[in-house]
Order: sequence, then C-alpha cells, then structure tokens
Amino acid sequence: DGGITQSPKYLFRKEGQNVTLSCEQNLNHDAMYWYRQDPGQGLRLIYYSQIVNDFQKGDIAEGYSVSREKKESFPLTVTSAQKNPTAFYLCASSIFSGGGTEAFFGQGTRLTVV
Amino acid sequence: DAKTTQPPSMDCAEGRAANLPCNHSTISGNEYVYWYRQIHSQGPQYIIHGLKNNETNEMASLIITEDRKSSTLILPHATLRDTAVYYCIVRVKGYSTLTFGKGTMLLVSP
Repeated sequence: DGGITQSPKYLFRKEGQNVTLSCEQNLNHDAMYWYRQDPGQGLRLIYYSQIVNDFQKGDIAEGYSVSREKKESFPLTVTSAQKNPTAFYLCASSIFSGGGTEAFFGQGTRLTVV
Repeated sequence: DAKTTQPPSMDCAEGRAANLPCNHSTISGNEYVYWYRQIHSQGPQYIIHGLKNNETNEMASLIITEDRKSSTLILPHATLRDTAVYYCIVRVKGYSTLTFGKGTMLLVSP
C-alpha cells in the first residue's frame, strides 16, 4: 500500500528531552514537509525538503531539526530548545514538479511534553 | 503565495449541497487553487484543485470565477462524514509549500 506513515501516533516526553518523530513515504515523492498544528489553529510549516541531503526552514523552525539522508525518510527532532513542544505534528510529501500536484499527509503524531 | 479568506464556520443539512466559498483576490496567473479538508485529529486530505476551469471529481466540484478572485467548493450531497475543517489554499506553479489558514469548519447535521 502506497502512503505516508508517521509513528508513533501518540508520544509523551519529559521536559528537557529531545524527541524524534518518524516520517516515511513509499510514494517516490521528492518533497517532504513537517507541519505543526495547535488546537483550533491551521497548520504551520516547520521544515521542508525538496531533495535528499537538502532542506529549508519554514515559518517556525526554531527548536527543531531535520535530516534527509534517504528519499523515503524525513525525521523531525524536537529539541529541548523548543519552548512549547506539545502539539500535533503532521508530515506530508509531494512530487517535486508543477503546481498541479497535491500533497499527501500522514495521520500525525500527537506529542505531549510533561 | 496569495492569501485566502474563508468564513470560519458553516452549517449544512445532511443530503443537501454544501457550498464553501473562498476569496483569493490577489491570486497570480500561475497560481492554482487547492482544497483540503481535515477531519478531527487526522491529517489533511486532498480534495481537488484547479487553475482556471471548473473541476469535478468523485468528492467535489470546484467552481472558479472568471476573474479567478474567488472560488466555491461544492459537496453535492453532504453526509455526516463530511463534517471537517476545509482549507482553501493558493499555490504558485512549480515547487512551493502549502500555506494553511484557519479554514472553514463545516458541520453537517442530520
């Protein structure tokens, strides 16, 4: 089954700990994205990557880091520097060409930091 | 990317057509109009997109005005499962990210 998989669905961490969220896709998409969503709000872009070994900061990159060592994988690390890490995190992917191509989203990871 | 304006919420009776408006008065000639929806606690789902012409697929129809400054997403026979937040997004041709606003919360009632 082709798709984009995020794991785990729920994640709990203690304050001050780094945590890595997984995102894998088998759609052969070039571009991958990480978004954050807070209650009652739209999605905000954290990082995106157009190609392997390259990525760019989005609107709210502070306190986050990413890597893109493989086309299929785009993990997001929430570092201790992120002041308000509790949120719903969404990963997406799309073909890197043209404005007519849609993005596919994973089902999200809900991170709670206590 | 151009900004969009959507009403914060709308109601619709089950079985009726749901017409969700979107204003994008500063849209550029090479920007597409995309619609996504997000059911509570799930990832957004792509619905439809268009450039100039009206579009229809198995989920919905997209009507874009001739001047392209506004569009309407039509769900022809809304069901309870269509209750979701609907996002209207404009996106430049070529690679660019999706910029989400707050969308329209559509509540479909029996």
